[in-house]
Amino acid sequence: EPEVTQTPSHQVTQMGQEVILRCVPISNHLYFYWYRQILGQKVEFLVSFYNNEISEKSEIFDDQFSVERPDGSNFTLKIRSTKLEDSAMYFCASSEAWVLGDTQYFGPGTRLTVL
Amino acid sequence: TQLLEQSPQFLSIQEGENLTVYCNSSSVFSSLQWYRQEPGEGPVLLVTVVTGGEVKKLKRLTFQFGDARKDSSLHITAAQPGDTGLYLCAGDNTDKLIFGTGTRLQVFP
Repeated sequence: EPEVTQTPSHQVTQMGQEVILRCVPISNHLYFYWYRQILGQKVEFLVSFYNNEISEKSEIFDDQFSVERPDGSNFTLKIRSTKLEDSAMYFCASSEAWVLGDTQYFGPGTRLTVL
Repeated sequence: TQLLEQSPQFLSIQEGENLTVYCNSSSVFSSLQWYRQEPGEGPVLLVTVVTGGEVKKLKRLTFQFGDARKDSSLHITAAQPGDTGLYLCAGDNTDKLIFGTGTRLQVFP
């Protein structure tokens, strides 16, 4: 069964460093998303991406964040200068389309720890 | 801001008992999805409900979408230890999912 994959599973970085989180969405999907979940809190939407551009982004997704689909398979989230409060699980998701009731499939997540 | 509140927040029950988890909002959603999340893993989809009043069954799990599409419930019959986990509801809002606060279920043998 097709699945969303993410690498690395765990990333430890120093405050102020840049990190790139990688995702391979399900191959025939057209919509891609990043969510994050701070420990003990609910899953929060960061950004959606379609046709090589951002569709929607949340208040969390400020100028320190960017997304890219550098080739036909990868979807990346970059944090330019990490802060302590960026420590969280980051989930990538993809969906085939955005029609009523279409399902988003989630990857296993990358745990980002900022020291 | 659209919010989804789940209740109860925590639930500990014995194997064989029935339970219901509620997901409520003051907002209308086009559809609502239920996920289950294990520690350190991503949410795994259980079901999507689209039509107001819709009922879907998945083995011992029954999902219902409220008539006004503002609320949903998950009922588990004869819970088993394998049902232990975090249950999340999520409403779709154009390009994003709004997640609920979660219900952590513990089923003891």
